[in-house]
Amino acid sequence: NAGVTQTPKFQVLKTGQSMTLQCAQDMNHNSMYWYRQDPGMGLRLIYYSASEGTTDKGEVPNGYNVSRLNKREFSLRLESAAPSQTSVYFCASRTGGLETQYFGPGTRLLVL
Amino acid sequence: EDKVVQSPLSLVVHEGDTVTLNCSYEVTNFRSLLWYKQEKKAPTFLFMLTSSGIEKKSGRLSSILDKKELFSILNITATQTGDSAIYLCAVEGHTGNQFYFGTGTSLTVIP
Repeated sequence: NAGVTQTPKFQVLKTGQSMTLQCAQDMNHNSMYWYRQDPGMGLRLIYYSASEGTTDKGEVPNGYNVSRLNKREFSLRLESAAPSQTSVYFCASRTGGLETQYFGPGTRLLVL
Repeated sequence: EDKVVQSPLSLVVHEGDTVTLNCSYEVTNFRSLLWYKQEKKAPTFLFMLTSSGIEKKSGRLSSILDKKELFSILNITATQTGDSAIYLCAVEGHTGNQFYFGTGTSLTVIP
């Protein structure tokens, strides 16, 4: 099992460009999450999907959209990137209920 | 406002020392508190706590939760250089799936 995978590993964008971060899990998990991690801020939840076909806003959803493509895949889209979106983005998944999340390796995004 | 606060922000100790990391929280409809270790990449799971007063233990690491005083501690005994990492505390609240993370404690263990 690969667990949670993310692509790309690193990306540089110019202000105003768009891009999609991809996440996939092979653990048959129901719930998936997108976080951003900034220095001194800890991880902050952007969006989550409790199950296939549903998505909900987290703590910091502005400037992002998500798609739960199927049970395995959950993508995060930046329509018009801003320097404030420079961050490390982590995807995570879990079965649901009271258990931990499993994190992907992260995507480092730099917006110039 | 829901929040999770960890202390200290950073800690430098020598191998063999014992450390205690703190996590306090104010989160609506508490469901669980989790501890993670983050080295250079993704956080890895250490413990999940849901009940007060029950210690979770794994090797040299242990953790306990106090739901009345709204805090948890993570203890590491006989520290090793491999324990150097950022330790993250997270609390799940609301209807579930809303996780709030602290900023982490950066631990450096010197040989």
